[in-house]
Amino acid sequence: DVKVTQSSRYLVKRTGEKVFLECVQDMDHENMFWYRQDPGLGLRLIYFSYDVKMKEKGDIPEGYSVSREKKERFSLILESASTNQTSMYLCATYGLETQYFGPGTRLLVL
Amino acid sequence: DQQVKQNSPSLSVQEGRISILNCDYTNSMFDYFLWYKKYPAEGPTFLISISSIKDKNEDGRFTVFLNKSAKHLSLHIVPSQPGDSAVYFCAAFVNSNTGKLIFGQGTTLQVKP
Repeated sequence: DVKVTQSSRYLVKRTGEKVFLECVQDMDHENMFWYRQDPGLGLRLIYFSYDVKMKEKGDIPEGYSVSREKKERFSLILESASTNQTSMYLCATYGLETQYFGPGTRLLVL
Repeated sequence: DQQVKQNSPSLSVQEGRISILNCDYTNSMFDYFLWYKKYPAEGPTFLISISSIKDKNEDGRFTVFLNKSAKHLSLHIVPSQPGDSAVYFCAAFVNSNTGKLIFGQGTTLQVKP
């Protein structure tokens, strides 16, 4: 059973703060993804990583960066949080022809 | 440019009836499609998939139909149950080697008892 965990379920941050969202998977999958989900917009890809220290921009990378120092861990970084980054953030891994998602982090930026 | 579209934001059906969720795509190169289900405050979970070599795939109460010429797929749930109430996303593989998917906007299904 694939397990994808995210460090926080809910987070409240101030504008301008640096925010770290952590994702850990236990299935030794090479490919990991970060999305944000907003009503009416579906899931939009921010970044993905296909190997340790390898990353590729998704559709909406502006204002975000990522880090993949170990295979099981993929971090999303908001360099300077803004109110338009208030959203649900979802991490996923890829294996067996599908993506497996974590429970999500609901981030509120005030 | 939205390459995968779910044009109905919401759908309400009575328990026991059929639910039909629709999805359209624009890129004829897409050849593998998935449906995910998402409850509030949880991550999406994989529901069912279909390859372009098929036009139908069934799994219990869930059936996905693919019409390649119309670039359209639909998810049928029969019979619908209150526990099916959730947001449903369709998705297409952009690259099956990397697992990169493109998602539709989602349809919120409400099944009334």
